[in-house]
Amino acid sequence: GENVEQHPSTLSVQEGDSAVIKCTYSDSASNYFPWYKQELGKRPQLIIDIRSNVGEKKDQRIAVTLNKTAKHFSLHITETQPEDSAVYFCAASTNSNYQLIWGAGTKLIIKP
Amino acid sequence: DADVTQTPRNRITKTGKRIMLECSQTKGHDRMYWYRQDPGLGLRLIYYSFDVKDINKGEISDGYSVSRQAQAKFSLSLESAIPNQTALYFCATSPQGITDTQYFGPGTRLTVL
Repeated sequence: GENVEQHPSTLSVQEGDSAVIKCTYSDSASNYFPWYKQELGKRPQLIIDIRSNVGEKKDQRIAVTLNKTAKHFSLHITETQPEDSAVYFCAASTNSNYQLIWGAGTKLIIKP
Repeated sequence: DADVTQTPRNRITKTGKRIMLECSQTKGHDRMYWYRQDPGLGLRLIYYSFDVKDINKGEISDGYSVSRQAQAKFSLSLESAIPNQTALYFCATSPQGITDTQYFGPGTRLTVL
């Protein structure tokens, strides 16, 4: 069945540096790719998403890029800050049953 | 987000017991979802509902059942709880399509002894 692989599982970066999280999807018909952030003890919340007709989308310090040919997409966070520490989940839509398939998550640690 | 609520927030139960987790939303959304979250496995879909009369199995529905009592209420039941159902359970809602934002409840931490 469809799946989404997310790497790395844990990422530790120095405050102020950039962080990149990558996801690979299997369903070539996927056309929607959201990223959710889950702070410790909190619920997941959407931070950015991209549709297959767009190659890149930015929102202040975060950006998402999509490579449809290679079937992968990435989350980029620049000038990382302590409040960026969280678990980040990627997901991809699947047209077979109209749901999202989720990656396993990346724990991002921002070192002071 | 107070618009999606879950009860109880924490529950400890014993193997073989029947458990119901409840989700309510005031967002007026048609679509509701139940996920479980396990460390290293991310979010896995248990059941989803497009409206009161449309309920569908997700990736890991075995051992679970659901009831959509109204547009605003979606309950998850464990008919006979087992220890490997120990997890954090999230309810979520979305307006309509798959490209709509999903809004999560605060989660229910379930422990099965």
